[in-house]
Amino acid sequence: GQQLNQSPQSMFIQEGEDVSMNCTSSSIFNTWLWYKQDPGEGPVLLIALYKAGELTSNGRLTAQFGITRKDSFLNISASIPSDVGIYFCAGHLSNDYKLSFGAGTTVTVRA
Amino acid sequence: GAVVSQHPSWVICKSGTSVKIECRSLDFQATTMFWYRQFPKQSLMLMATSNEGSKATYEQGVEKDKFLINHASLTLSTLTVTSAHPEDSSFYICSARGWAFGGQSAYEQYFGPGTRLTVT
Repeated sequence: GQQLNQSPQSMFIQEGEDVSMNCTSSSIFNTWLWYKQDPGEGPVLLIALYKAGELTSNGRLTAQFGITRKDSFLNISASIPSDVGIYFCAGHLSNDYKLSFGAGTTVTVRA
Repeated sequence: GAVVSQHPSWVICKSGTSVKIECRSLDFQATTMFWYRQFPKQSLMLMATSNEGSKATYEQGVEKDKFLINHASLTLSTLTVTSAHPEDSSFYICSARGWAFGGQSAYEQYFGPGTRLTVT
């Protein structure tokens, strides 16, 4: 699938800090999805975005679908130790049910 | 809702043997199931897409005779790694999407917990 550029690749943050990561693409996407994967587990869907400009929250998580439909960001507010893991952005191109994935952002929280 | 299970969660097999991995959607009917492979510290790599009752569509570079996929019902897909070799050792993850939730959510994929395959 189309390559999504996800950044940063990794981050070390202090507990209580806010975290931000983003994904960009050269292609227009119809949907953006954000997943979290814990070690040895499958990815878990955090937020799904379907409209350009859409801003959606799920607890301390907030994600936005970029106006150009070529980017999305995910924010985590007031991080806690259980936020540790790998976060993946993913998206669908027009009329394609296959997902393209970013390379992932590894989040490590310092207590 | 949207629970996907995989069995087994881990398996060790000898080189040359075959291994079957099951993927089940527990609370919805999966129109389409996907099989991924993931290497350590890497993203998910799509291997194939399967629709219930039809042949799977394999991604470029994935050997269809080696990775046999069967999607016999709307809740079950299986991946069989035939004549496994050490280089097939990996984390295999399935996902499912379905119409049970309707509308835009049909684009959402729900992942199983993964199967760790080790070939000795």
